[in-house]
Amino acid sequence: SYELTQPPSVSVSPGQTARITCSGDALPKKYAYWYQQKSGQAPVLVIYEDSKRPSGIPERFSGSSSGTMATLTISGAQVEDEADYYCYSTDSSGNHVVFGGGTKLTVL
Amino acid sequence: QVQLVESGGGVVQPGRSLRLSCAASGFTFSSYGMHWVRQAPGKGLEWVAVISYDGSNKYYADSVKGRFTISRDNSKNTLYLQMNSLRAEDTAVYYCADERTGAPATWGQGTLVTVSS
Repeated sequence: SYELTQPPSVSVSPGQTARITCSGDALPKKYAYWYQQKSGQAPVLVIYEDSKRPSGIPERFSGSSSGTMATLTISGAQVEDEADYYCYSTDSSGNHVVFGGGTKLTVL
Repeated sequence: QVQLVESGGGVVQPGRSLRLSCAASGFTFSSYGMHWVRQAPGKGLEWVAVISYDGSNKYYADSVKGRFTISRDNSKNTLYLQMNSLRAEDTAVYYCADERTGAPATWGQGTLVTVSS
């Protein structure tokens, strides 16, 4: 079965840049999406189609994809950005959907 | 604004059935695919199923294939998940989400399903 691999945790100080990676064999052909989930809340889409930002998402959130790796970048991370982040994509057929295992971002 | 409200969760014994509903508003429901995603306590997100805008195409995670059925009623702006032969490992918060961006976009607040004897 298809898998997306994320680091379990990333830690930065406030104001630093946080980068969260997601690797998958089909990413050269398929878009990556990124979700933020704060404790006790539903997930929120922060990046779609590799690098597009939905309305209402701060500009410090950006996305990129190169080869088999997609990256979520939070420039000037803030304490309120502490959350779990999940990537999402499909296998090359488009029929098998998967989330990455999630990355816990700590900002302190 | 887009609003999705799940209902139908609760405590159910192993082997029994449950049907979840998701009421949608604030967008043209009949134009978009819809997803179910679940999250077991303390665990990550697990995609469950997706249905196309008109209900003609449905895909499932291997873990639920043959037991769960996704459906929709566009006249009622409502998405459903029929869950049969429930197992303890199906215990989770179940979220519905619209596919306005090609993937789950806006999510509901979720409904908790607990499978326990």
